[in-house]
This record gives sequence, structure tokens and C-alpha cells, in this order.
Amino acid sequence: DGGITQSPKYLFRKEGQNVTLSCEQNLNHDAMYWYRQDPGQGLRLIYYSQIVNDFQKGDIAEGYSVSREKKESFPLTVTSAQKNPTAFYLCASSIMGEAGNTIYFGEGSWLTVV
Amino acid sequence: EDKVVQSPLSLVVHEGDTVTLNCSYEVTNFRSLLWYKQEKKAPTFLFMLTSSGIEKKSGRLSSILDKKELFSILNITATQTGDSAVYLCAVGIYNQGGKLIFGQGTELSVKP
Repeated sequence: DGGITQSPKYLFRKEGQNVTLSCEQNLNHDAMYWYRQDPGQGLRLIYYSQIVNDFQKGDIAEGYSVSREKKESFPLTVTSAQKNPTAFYLCASSIMGEAGNTIYFGEGSWLTVV
Repeated sequence: EDKVVQSPLSLVVHEGDTVTLNCSYEVTNFRSLLWYKQEKKAPTFLFMLTSSGIEKKSGRLSSILDKKELFSILNITATQTGDSAVYLCAVGIYNQGGKLIFGQGTELSVKP
């Protein structure tokens, strides 16, 4: 089945530890994204990548890092520099269309830092 | 600063009611407006709107865009408990790598 797979779904980490969230897509989409969602709020863009080996900061990139070594994969590392990392993280991908991009989301990863 | 504002933030209705969710935006280089439904997990795509005045319809859901007033509405008729979710509005912008700017969402609760 085609889709976007995020793992793990739930992750607990101690404060000060780096964690990496995995995102893999087999939709052959060029662009991939990471969003963060806090309770009762909309989605905020962390990083995005339009092609392999290239990525751009979103609105809240501080304390996060990404890589795009393969078209299918766009892992996100939440570093110890991120002040408030507990949140729901969504990975997404899209194909560039004429009218615009329709973004499709993975199932999300819940990160809790204790 | 580009922004997308949704209203109301939450809404409680009874089955069978019709609801209208609102989305206004202030962005430079508007390209498209999208609606998503989120039920405790990943948002699922509902509609993409690019032209004013053309209604998009899917079953009991419909949406329309007004590019002059910078506004879109999402209508749900004959609501069912399965419509309970957070509805997200997002705007795509030209020359921004395909990223979307999201509103805060409207939490809809449909009571039996």
C-alpha cells in the first residue's frame, strides 16, 4: 500500500536527550515536510525539503535538525536545544501540482519528554 | 506576516444540524486553500480550492472560496456523530516550496 509511515507512534524520553523520528514514504513524492501540533493549536512547520540533499527551515526550526539523503526518507531529530519538545509530530509529503500542493500526512508521532 | 484564522474555535451541534465553518486569510502570493479533517491522528484531505465562486462538493460536505474577501467556508449538512473532528484550513503560497500555513482549527462535536 502507498503511504507515509512514521515511527515510533509513541516515544518517551528524558530531558536533555536527542531523539530521532522516522518518516518514510513510498508515494514517489518530491517534497516532504515536518509539522508540530500542540494541543488546541494548528500545525506549525518545522522543516521542509523539495528535493534530495536539500531542505529549508520552517517557522519553528530552532532545536530541530533534518536530513534528506533519500527521496523516500526525511528523519527529524529533536535535540536537547528544543525547549519544549513534548508535542504531536506530523510528517507529510506532496507532489508539486499546477494548482498547488496537496499534502498528505503520516499517522503522527507523540513525543513526551519527562 | 502571513496568517490564517478559523472561526469558531469550537462548536457543539446535534445530529442533523447544518454547520458552517469559517476560514479567513491574509497572505502574500495566495495559491490555494485546503481543508482537512483531523480525528485524533493525521489530518485527511477534504478539498483544495483555487478559484473564487466555484463550489466543491463531496457528499454532505461542500466548500467555496472568495478571493476578493479572502475567505472560505466549509459546510456540513445533516451532521452525524462521525463528523466530530477538528477541521483545519490551510493556505498554500507561491514561491514557498509548497508549504502550507495552517489555521488553529475548529473543533466540531456532534451530539446524538
